[in-house]
Amino acid sequence: AQSVTQLGSHVSVSEGALVLLRCNYSSSVPPYLFWYVQYPNQGLQLLLKYTSAATLVKGINGFEAEFKKSETSFHLTKPSAHMSDAAEYFCAVRARDDKIIFGKGTRLHILP
Amino acid sequence: NAGVTQTPKFQVLKTGQSMTLQCAQDMNHEYMSWYRQDPGMGLRLIHYSVGAGITDQGEVPNGYNVSRSTTEDFPLRLLSAAPSQTSVYFCASSYPPMGGRGGELFFGEGSRLTVL
Repeated sequence: AQSVTQLGSHVSVSEGALVLLRCNYSSSVPPYLFWYVQYPNQGLQLLLKYTSAATLVKGINGFEAEFKKSETSFHLTKPSAHMSDAAEYFCAVRARDDKIIFGKGTRLHILP
Repeated sequence: NAGVTQTPKFQVLKTGQSMTLQCAQDMNHEYMSWYRQDPGMGLRLIHYSVGAGITDQGEVPNGYNVSRSTTEDFPLRLLSAAPSQTSVYFCASSYPPMGGRGGELFFGEGSRLTVL
C-alpha cells in the first residue's frame, strides 16, 4: 500500500529565503504525485503534479518539485519566499489501486 | 460550472444521531472520494468510488457508509455519530490518470461537523 511522509509539521523561513518542503512516498508502482496548498479556512488547491512526463515539475506561484525515483522523493521548492506563501502544504500519491493518500501536511511560516 | 458541491457547510449533531453529507459534481468524473481533516493528521481517506455502483474503503471507514447510484452524487452517511467524528469533511472527484493528465483531485469547500 502506498504512503506519504512529510518531514516537519512546521517549517519557518525568512521572507526572500529558499523554501524546501520534503515529501517521501512509498508505492509499489510508479505513482502520480501531487502537492496541494491550503490557506486558512479554505479548501485545497493544486500546486503541481507529477505524471511521469518530466521529473522537474513547475507549478503555480513559483513553486516547483523534482521527482527522484531513487530517493522516492518529491520535494517542493520555491527560490524566494513571500509572505503570501504562508499556508499548509500537503503531498499526495495516487497509485494503480486509485487510492489517493495524503501526508500529514507541513505548515509553512514566513518570517518578516 | 459548479465543480464539487458539498452540503451542509456546517452541522452540529448529538451523539447517536445520524446524518448524511451530500456531495455532487458536474464534471462527469468517474472517481469520487471522501476525506476527513483533523489537526496534525492531514487528510485521511474514508471511502472512495471509481464509478457508479462501485465503492471501496479507505484508511478510516469505520462509522461511515457510502453509496454511488449515479456518476454525479456520492453521499456520506454517519450511522450513529460519535464525538470522534468531529472533523472537517472534504468530498473530491477526479478523472482517470491517463494520457499524462495525472488524475488530480478537485475538492469541495468542506463540511464542518461537530458531534456533542
